[in-house]
Amino acid sequence: DAKTTQPTSMDCAEGRAANLPCNHSTISGNEYVYWYRQIHSQGPQYIIHGLKNNETNEMASLIITEDRKSSTLILPHATLRDTAVYYCIVRVGNAGNMLTFGGGTRLMVKP
Amino acid sequence: EAEVAQSPRYKITEKSQAVAFWCDPISGHATLYWYRQILGQGPELLVQFQDESVVDDSQLPKDRFSAERLKGVDSTLKIQPAELGDSAMYLCASSPGGGGNTGELFFGEGSRLTVL
Repeated sequence: DAKTTQPTSMDCAEGRAANLPCNHSTISGNEYVYWYRQIHSQGPQYIIHGLKNNETNEMASLIITEDRKSSTLILPHATLRDTAVYYCIVRVGNAGNMLTFGGGTRLMVKP
Repeated sequence: EAEVAQSPRYKITEKSQAVAFWCDPISGHATLYWYRQILGQGPELLVQFQDESVVDDSQLPKDRFSAERLKGVDSTLKIQPAELGDSAMYLCASSPGGGGNTGELFFGEGSRLTVL
């Protein structure tokens, strides 16, 4: 699976959009971009994933560049409960393939 | 909403003792994973099961760790003897398996182990 690069930490003001970047310059054509987050002392939680097109769900939006070498996770209106470590992972989307986690980005949402 | 169940939530033990963790995946999920997460780091895979068969245990320290999923449903991860460096969160995850799914993994809340 391709490796990813994320900033170690970021701050965001409550109510503002949080934009979390991820670089995955060696991504292959059949690899998806997944985002998970881990709130303190809990297991990771799936947020969103995509292949080529931008995706949106009730939690977040995922913007993937046209060359697929980077992506941005957008939390449109960050709340204090969004404070967590956010992991960007690329992997083949087949069933049964495990996730390889990096260090992630520690997002601190401040009042 | 169905969840991955893990127990115990917290475990404190002395080094050289045996410890076991249990995981009950979401009903019908064929694939089960055990991850270890050291404080401040991302989770790392220890073992992956497809039904009752081990798919990948290359990162499992087999001299002291063992994992089983005898009936292809729930699973147990054992450490014997425990060492100080085993202090970590042990996470279980499951996924449906089979063709065409999204590849999403569902994680339990984890079992936090402290070895004294």
